[in-house]
Amino acid sequence: KAGVTQTPRYLIKTRGQQVTLSCSPISGHRSVSWYQQTPGQGLQFLFEYFSETQRNKGNFPGRFSGRQFSNSRSEMNVSTLELGDSALYLCASSGLGQSFNYGYTFGSGTRLTVV
Amino acid sequence: DAKTTQPPSMDCAEGRAANLPCNHSTISGNEYVYWYRQIHSQGPQYIIHGLKNNETNEMASLIITEDRKSSTLILPHATLRDTAVYYCIVRERNNNDMRFGAGTRLTVKP
Repeated sequence: KAGVTQTPRYLIKTRGQQVTLSCSPISGHRSVSWYQQTPGQGLQFLFEYFSETQRNKGNFPGRFSGRQFSNSRSEMNVSTLELGDSALYLCASSGLGQSFNYGYTFGSGTRLTVV
Repeated sequence: DAKTTQPPSMDCAEGRAANLPCNHSTISGNEYVYWYRQIHSQGPQYIIHGLKNNETNEMASLIITEDRKSSTLILPHATLRDTAVYYCIVRERNNNDMRFGAGTRLTVKP
């Protein structure tokens, strides 16, 4: 079956702009989590959505937001981009109750560069 | 903050067992130990998890000490494709917020 699909793979934006990243989870998976990965901070949890509701949120400013649609696809948005937002943004999905036994399945990420 | 401590890097000869340690001295009774790995330019991949018993699957074995304050991930016959960053994470069953540390960069050498 298809894995977690993230689009686009690469993105270059200018400071002050906003960006929207997309994640299509594995078919049947209803939980979608987002992570930011930078060389300095490593992998950091952004938020998790389940059945269109944000269930958990990490310690990021309000410029970072997300949503989930009824088909479980998720988007994350970053407004007023800063240079420090340059990172690999990873999406992970799991089925109901499956993250415990089978872990999360991650996508390959979207590499965002802010110039 | 991550609740685990791992060595920053390790080397292993191809075909030999790779033993990756992890300290989690503040682990609570309802927290599980999970291992993921990340190969360059890819997202992390789930490997194995356990509570207090040793676990084995097709990828690896997980040995957890009796006091649960540390664990070891064992790749029995490392190949060049096992070169990756390995993350040890502790999490509660119903907590989906995984706190990744810096991990261990394993390099498998021919």
